[in-house]
Amino acid sequence: GNSVTQMEGPVTLSEEAFLTINCTYTATGYPSLFWYVQYPGEGLQLLLKATKADDKGSNKGFEATYRKETTSFHLEKGSVQVSDSAVYFCAQGGQKVTFGTGTKLQVIP
Amino acid sequence: DSGVTQTPKHLITATGQRVTLRCSPRSGDLSVYWYQQSLDQGLQFLIHYYNGEERAKGNILERFSAQQFPDLHSELNLSSLELGDSALYFCASSYNQGARNTGELFFGEGSRLTVL
Repeated sequence: GNSVTQMEGPVTLSEEAFLTINCTYTATGYPSLFWYVQYPGEGLQLLLKATKADDKGSNKGFEATYRKETTSFHLEKGSVQVSDSAVYFCAQGGQKVTFGTGTKLQVIP
Repeated sequence: DSGVTQTPKHLITATGQRVTLRCSPRSGDLSVYWYQQSLDQGLQFLIHYYNGEERAKGNILERFSAQQFPDLHSELNLSSLELGDSALYFCASSYNQGARNTGELFFGEGSRLTVL
């Protein structure tokens, strides 16, 4: 069945560091791909999405590119801030909308 | 505010009991999804309803059931509760074009269930 695998956390970075959170997927066909973010005590929010191969999703300085050849959708940000501290989930679309296990990011001043 | 409302926000109950969690989707959204989030198992898909009909089922226990009503709100019923059922239960909604979902979901703030 469909699945999403993302790197385990927690990830601890200093402010202004570069962030990469890896995500790979297995699916039949070409599902839409998403990154969601969950801030402490809140529900998940859509961060960015890509609906077809080679699409780049971007929002709030975060980017991810839909790579069909490597079945990946890695999340990147060039300079993280303390306010980016949260749990990040990779997901693929479909009737079941499958999520990865989440990666906790902690950014320290 | 995502527009998705879940009640109750917190619930404490005992083993063997039954609880009902309620979800009101965003206005105009036809699909409702239920997820269970626990520390050791991440976000687990339970069930998806579209316009009152069940569309997909995940690893939902037989002790759990759900339904979506004509006004599109949904309820998740958890019975014969066990300690391991303690978790955050999220509802999410989306507007599906036809029967195909793109995966863009709007989440409620969750219902935290504690089973003692």
